[in-house]
Amino acid sequence: GESVGLHLPTLSVQEGDNSIINCAYSNSASDYFIWYKQESGKGPQFIIDIRSNMDKRQGQRVTVLLNKTVKHLSLQIAATQPGDSAVYFCAEVGAAGNKLTFGGGTRVLVKP
Amino acid sequence: EAEVAQSPRYKITEKSQAVAFWCDPISGHATLYWYRQILGQGPELLVQFQDESVVDDSQLPKDRFSAERLKGVDSTLKIQPAELGDSAMYLCASSDRRTYQETQYFGPGTRLLVL
Repeated sequence: GESVGLHLPTLSVQEGDNSIINCAYSNSASDYFIWYKQESGKGPQFIIDIRSNMDKRQGQRVTVLLNKTVKHLSLQIAATQPGDSAVYFCAEVGAAGNKLTFGGGTRVLVKP
Repeated sequence: EAEVAQSPRYKITEKSQAVAFWCDPISGHATLYWYRQILGQGPELLVQFQDESVVDDSQLPKDRFSAERLKGVDSTLKIQPAELGDSAMYLCASSDRRTYQETQYFGPGTRLLVL
């Protein structure tokens, strides 16, 4: 069936460096994508979203890139900080407005 | 900042017992979602409410799970009887409008352990 997945389960990053988290999706009809951050013991926290009519969107220290040709989504975190240590999930919504489908998550560990 | 409230935060129960989780969405949010999250995986939708009506419960195991939102505000998710495989985090989320493309805000979750 359709699925959303991540390439790397764990990403170790030096404090101050940039982080890149990748996500592959298989439903070419999906037209809305979201990145969530989940800290230990907490619920997912919305970071940034992007619609399929865009290929890039920027927020505060975060950028999401969407490549529809290869069905790839990435989250870039600039100047990674210890507070960025968490599990990051990508999620997609199909064009028919069906349910939010989450990928399996990537753990980001920030080393001081 | 308004938040989604959930209780209890942790629940330990024995199999075959009944458990119930409560969620209070962000004030004014008409849409409420219950998700189940197994450790190391992304959340999976169990049920979606629009006001007091269920709009999607296709993934809810109806033989043992039930959910209600009687007055269209807070909601309760019940499991009876609980099974070992039900051990997971149960997350509640709410959004302002009906479509999944509206930002969903999550509560802190209830972690359930079934012994």
